[in-house]
Amino acid sequence: GQNIDQPTEMTATEGAIVQINCTYQTSGFNGLFWYQQHAGEAPTFLSYNVLDGLEEKGRFSSFLSRSKGYSYLLLKELQMKDSASYLCAVKDSNYQLIWGAGTKLIIKP
Amino acid sequence: ETGVTQTPRHLVMGMTNKKSLKCEQHLGHNAMYWYKQSAKKPLELMFVYSLEERVENNSVPSRFSPECPNSSHLFLHLHTLQPEDSALYLCASSQELGGSYNEQFFGPGTRLTVL
Repeated sequence: GQNIDQPTEMTATEGAIVQINCTYQTSGFNGLFWYQQHAGEAPTFLSYNVLDGLEEKGRFSSFLSRSKGYSYLLLKELQMKDSASYLCAVKDSNYQLIWGAGTKLIIKP
Repeated sequence: ETGVTQTPRHLVMGMTNKKSLKCEQHLGHNAMYWYKQSAKKPLELMFVYSLEERVENNSVPSRFSPECPNSSHLFLHLHTLQPEDSALYLCASSQELGGSYNEQFFGPGTRLTVL
């Protein structure tokens, strides 16, 4: 079967750096997405990786290793507003999105 | 209105009620999706429409009935639901169906509680 694994919950301190990991086993690979979802709100797109390496976008970066079936989302200079759930999703060979259960990130002052 | 909108935002219904969820996208997209989101579980894809035609139905119980009258609107008709159907129902749209980079845009969801 297809599976996406990510930690259920993480805690970090304001101003610090946090790395959220995602591992996947899917039938084929056509890209990996990270979404941010604040409580009670819509998931919003953060990043897309289809080639190995690091994609940087401001305070957020996303890394992909296709050979290892692994990605991480790196958040720098954490702010209280970064408290949210972070969803990892992979497009399989049928271009269907397979979703992880999400990582709830708690930021403490 | 911009993006993807959903109404109502909250819905409480009994098991014998019939209700409908509405989704509207203002992005000119051709594909629309219904997802179910339960606590601490991955998003479950329920239905997919492309150019108003249903292209996928992931073994969803018949008590959920989708309708797509045009490429901007999507409905989810609910009848004789069960308490385990209580969840957040998310609507999403994308420019096209399929493709590698084809970002989905989500609405804020309808929080459904079945008593």
